Amino acid sequence: DGGITQSPKYLFRKEGQNVTLSCEQNLNHDAMYWYRQDPGQGLRLIYYSQIVNDFQKGDIAEGYSVSREKKESFPLTVTSAQKNPTAFYLCASSIGGQSGELFFGEGSRLTVL
Amino acid sequence: KQEVTQIPAALSVPEGENLVLNCSFTDSAIYNLQWFRQDPGKGLTSLLLIQSSQREQTSGRLNASLDKSSGRSTLYIAASQPGDSATYLCAVCPNSGYALNFGKGTSLLVTP
Repeated sequence: DGGITQSPKYLFRKEGQNVTLSCEQNLNHDAMYWYRQDPGQGLRLIYYSQIVNDFQKGDIAEGYSVSREKKESFPLTVTSAQKNPTAFYLCASSIGGQSGELFFGEGSRLTVL
Repeated sequence: KQEVTQIPAALSVPEGENLVLNCSFTDSAIYNLQWFRQDPGKGLTSLLLIQSSQREQTSGRLNASLDKSSGRSTLYIAASQPGDSATYLCAVCPNSGYALNFGKGTSLLVTP
């Protein structure tokens, strides 16, 4: 079945460690996105990519990094510079920009100990 | 900056009732509006996408309307079922850029 796969589903990290969240899609979508969701807040955009080897910062990119070497993959690294990394992270994709219908993965919950 | 507000924040209804969820936005220059459903601890599932030129979209028991000039959208759920219990989010795509603006959602509980 076509879809978006995020892994791991749950991740625990010690302070000062970098962690990488995986996002893979087999929908043949050009655009991919990373969102962060905190309790009581709307989703906030971290990074997005409209095409391979290109990506742009969203509203809250500080302390995060991404790469887009393949169309299917858009991993997110949460670096030690991110002040408050404990959150639920959601990856999404669309055919052509956010003006198209957005499809989401199941999310990854990161907890910093 | 576009502000998206969803009212009410939480709603509890008995099974079988028809209900309306509201979404308002401050800037009417939008490209489209999407309604999503989110179950606890899960990702978002797209329910309906309304283009700015459309007035409504329907899918099964769901009907979403859009009034761009007043900055409002409603999601109508007919004959609610316990399986409809979830958080419903609306998101607006502005004309100006690629960043969707999300509301904080309405948490719906349908009791048997």
